[in-house]
Amino acid sequence: GAGVSQSPSNKVTEKGKDVELRCDPISGHTALYWYRQSLGQGLEFLIYFQGNSAPDKSGLPSDRFSAERTGGSVSTLTIQRTQQEDSAVYLCASSLTTGSYEQYFGPGTRLTVT
Amino acid sequence: SQELEQSPQSLIVQEGKNLTINCTSSKTLYGLYWYKQKYGEGLIFLMMLQKGGEEKSHEKITAKLDEKKQQSSLHITASQPSHAGIYLCGVLGGDSWGKFQFGAGTQVVVTP
Repeated sequence: GAGVSQSPSNKVTEKGKDVELRCDPISGHTALYWYRQSLGQGLEFLIYFQGNSAPDKSGLPSDRFSAERTGGSVSTLTIQRTQQEDSAVYLCASSLTTGSYEQYFGPGTRLTVT
Repeated sequence: SQELEQSPQSLIVQEGKNLTINCTSSKTLYGLYWYKQKYGEGLIFLMMLQKGGEEKSHEKITAKLDEKKQQSSLHITASQPSHAGIYLCGVLGGDSWGKFQFGAGTQVVVTP
């Protein structure tokens, strides 16, 4: 069966440009999460969506970061006016619901800001 | 917030040898997850432990949660090249249900 997919797999952008990262969760999964992993650091939680509830944005590092989830399925993470410190692998995960359920991760998008 | 400390940060092991990774929490663990990460493949769920003293095995990988539920270990027996990667322990955040917090990871290299 299809897993979580993310696009693009790699993105190189110039400092100051906006980027959009896409995540397609597993069909039927109501919870969707965004994380990022910077070089030499552990996974950092960014934001999560549960069904139609307001997303938990507590992990977003700045107001340049935003995310949407349309129709309870596909999600887009947008980074405006990218900075070099935004360079990281951005991972998306989905789970059947929140709580003690397995999270299934996508392959990630490697973002490089030059 | 809950702090997760993993040790060692990196590990080089000869093929066929055993290895152990530790994950220590500053607070009681209610649901400890182990994941493996390979570049381009995303995170792969290995197992979840919830009960003190619980032990689970999958193929040659065994994970344990201590009785006090503050430390977990991941043990790989007779390591293979396929075991190479980054191993992460994670826990659901206490202040926001559904939010995961991960340790910094342990990089495992398996040499011939």
